[in-house]
This record gives sequence, structure tokens and C-alpha cells, in this order.
Amino acid sequence: GQQVMQIPQYQHVQEGEDFTTYCNSSTTLSNIQWYKQRPGGHPVFLIQLVKSGEVKKQKRLTFQFGEAKKNSSLHITATQTTDVGTYFCAGPGAGGTSYGKLTFGQGTILTVHP
Amino acid sequence: GAVVSQHPSRVICKSGTSVKIECRSLDFQATTMFWYRQFPKQSLMLMATSNEGSKATYEQGVEKDKFLINHASLTLSTLTVTSAHPEDSSFYICSAVQDGNEQFFGPGTRLTVL
Repeated sequence: GQQVMQIPQYQHVQEGEDFTTYCNSSTTLSNIQWYKQRPGGHPVFLIQLVKSGEVKKQKRLTFQFGEAKKNSSLHITATQTTDVGTYFCAGPGAGGTSYGKLTFGQGTILTVHP
Repeated sequence: GAVVSQHPSRVICKSGTSVKIECRSLDFQATTMFWYRQFPKQSLMLMATSNEGSKATYEQGVEKDKFLINHASLTLSTLTVTSAHPEDSSFYICSAVQDGNEQFFGPGTRLTVL
């Protein structure tokens, strides 16, 4: 079945440093989504990318979707302590996208030292 | 954004008992809800897709007789962990799809089986 691999598993940064997490799929994705889960919380939707080569920005966060639609990245510029959490990518699961089934990557746990 | 609630947020039970977890979409109707399981510092593993008015679709390796899912209405899905054992201790999260593919997650239920 489809697999979504995400690296790194952990990332420790000093406040102000940049952070990037990468996601790779074994198959071409129709879209990819990114979620953030704060410690003790639940995943919260950040963004969805659909087009090949798409780049979207949300303040200090930059999301990219690869040209082949098999990889994606999330980059945070000048991290802040509020960025702490686990970032997950997710691609459509088997069965298509008509009802939103997702396959999640392993997640990257980000810690930010003040 | 859309709101999904879960009840209870925490439950501790004795081995062999059954536990019911409720997932509600508060301000929208969800024909499809999903149940996930998450172990500490790990990703979300999809357990099953809950469809209103029909039987749930379980992922490979998930015992349907142990994890009973009922989607009685467009705003409520329940997951019952039957004859719970310590290895069933986990964080159970539901999600609901409002439009398109964006999933709204409930706050999760932390189950501890003694």
C-alpha cells in the first residue's frame, strides 16, 4: 500500500533558527496536507497542496509540493517557541480522495530552545 | 472552523471491561468520520472509516469485533473498545470531513487499561 515517509523524526533548534521537515511518498499524490499537533493536543490542519510545484506561504511557514507530486516540505523561518509540536504530512489513503481518507507520515517532533 | 468533540477525554478502566468513546461534529454534518489510534511520539494510525448509515470499513489488522464502530447519525460516531486489555491503552482520536478533504480532529480520548 501507499507509504508516506517523513524525516527527520526529531529536530531540536535554537529559537530563531530555521526548520525543515520533508515528506516522500512511494506513489504520486493527488494532494498533500500538513497538520500540526501541539504536545498533548490533537492535529490541526495547516494547509493542502494540490498542484505540481506548488509553493504556499503562511507567515513564517513555507510549504512546497514537488514537481512529480511525490514529495513535499515544510520550512519554518526563524522558529519561535510557539512552533513547538509535531508536524505531520498526510496523503490520500487507498480508496481515493472522495471521502478524505488519509495516510499520515511519521511526523517530525520539533523542539525549540529559547 | 468546524468543531469536533470527543467524550470522554480520559478514561481509566479495568482489564476486561468495555469502553465507549463518542465523537460528535458540533456545527456540521459529517457523513464520514475516521478513527485513529496514536501511541506516544508516534504517528496517527487509521483504524477505521465510519460511514453514516452503513458498516464501518476497517483497516488491515484492526479487529472489527474488538473495536465496534457505530455511526448512528450525521453528527455522531461511537467507538467501543470491547474487553479492553492493557495493550489497548492509547490515545484515540476521531476526525470528521466537512467539505473536500480537510479533516477536523476531535481533542482525543486517552484510554488507560489497568
